Amino acid sequence: SQTIHQWPATLVQPVGSPLSLECTVEGTSNPNLYWYRQAAGRGLQLLFYSVGIGQISSEVPQNLSASRPQDRQFILSSKKLLLSDSGFYLCAWSVLDRGFEMNTEAFFGQGTRLTVV
Amino acid sequence: AQRVTQPEKLLSVFKGAPVELKCNYSYSGSPELFWYVQYSRQRLQLLLRHISRESIKGFTADLNKGETSFHLKKPFAQEEDSAMYYCALRSTSGTYKYIFGTGTRLKVLA
Repeated sequence: SQTIHQWPATLVQPVGSPLSLECTVEGTSNPNLYWYRQAAGRGLQLLFYSVGIGQISSEVPQNLSASRPQDRQFILSSKKLLLSDSGFYLCAWSVLDRGFEMNTEAFFGQGTRLTVV
Repeated sequence: AQRVTQPEKLLSVFKGAPVELKCNYSYSGSPELFWYVQYSRQRLQLLLRHISRESIKGFTADLNKGETSFHLKKPFAQEEDSAMYYCALRSTSGTYKYIFGTGTRLKVLA
């Protein structure tokens, strides 16, 4: 069965420090991968998505970047955190469309609560 | 541009009352539409998808292409339905992006 791991669960970082959040998927190959930020009143904002190794699409201009060094690994990074980067970050995956439309559910990790102080 | 709109941030209903959570979308094509739910301290999870035309936990949602809506309905709300509900759209070509609305918190009062 497929599983998604996201860590750490909580993180407190000072302003100006770097960030690295990791997400890995098991039990599937060539998934679509997504990073979201969840904020009250703003819902789930899509930050980045990837359809393959090294292929990253950015949805909103921001202080963050994403990388996909391996097929089932998705990393969210920042060189210097801002206070406004605080939030709840979610990683998700779904299968690529192979003509079976029933298989396009998105599966979410448990999230990382990031507090920038 | 793809967009999902959920106009209500909070919806409070009494137990046994009907529930309708509104969702409107913008997409130039035929999208896949979903409802996801997040119960307290649990992961976000799929509730139902338009293509399977199913009823899950008494909830149904009908895709209305003319009104570009995908409202979630349940005839009799239960206390255990209290949760955060997100409407989502997945593009069906090229990028297969998953876009979510801002969510509606449903509170079912005893």
